[in-house]
Amino acid sequence: GAVVSQHPSWVICKSGTSVKIECRSLDFQATTMFWYRQFPKQSLMLMATSNEGSKATYEQGVEKDKFLINHASLTLSTLTVTSAHPEDSSFYICSAVLPGGPDGELFFGEGSRLTVL
Amino acid sequence: AQSVAQPEDQVNVAEGNPLTVKCTYSVSGNPYLFWYVQYPNRGLQFLLKYITGDNLVKGSYGFEAEFNKSQTSFHLKKPSALVSDSALYFCAVSPGGSGYNKLIFGAGTRLAVHP
Repeated sequence: GAVVSQHPSWVICKSGTSVKIECRSLDFQATTMFWYRQFPKQSLMLMATSNEGSKATYEQGVEKDKFLINHASLTLSTLTVTSAHPEDSSFYICSAVLPGGPDGELFFGEGSRLTVL
Repeated sequence: AQSVAQPEDQVNVAEGNPLTVKCTYSVSGNPYLFWYVQYPNRGLQFLLKYITGDNLVKGSYGFEAEFNKSQTSFHLKKPSALVSDSALYFCAVSPGGSGYNKLIFGAGTRLAVHP
């Protein structure tokens, strides 16, 4: 089946620094990827839709300048948390749409846990 | 506002017994409904979905779900639970239209199956 991989799995950084998280579709080309944020014991909150070759579409309330998304190739989308603060600590998950695949059957990465000190 | 509710944080079941994980939704129109499962340290995996047709849909690993339009519910069921079914289960809904892949997730229900 289609595989999506995230890197790093976990990262610890100091407050004020920027962190980049990668989401790769390993065996298919994904024109559309989604980024989610998951708080402990809470749901996945959709942050943005990443489209290859164009600007990401952010959900209401998500700061574009804080969470930079780049989808420069058909197999890679990156999420950069800029000037990270402790409140940005969370579990970030990406998913990819398999072109031609059934609607709604997304393929998810393993998630990246960010801890900001 | 569109939303998905999973009223139980955790469901405990003995192995071999039937299990039910509840989900209700509030979405306009005719949504697509999904169940995903998350095992520890792994990404979410698709279990099953309802689009149209028979209200009882069957999915992976022996799971099934029943769509009830009048109650706006989509409960996940399995006739006989296995210890290996222990995981975090998410109900999700897609509002449909042009955004079928844009899913709204419930908070998740942790299923614990005891030997």
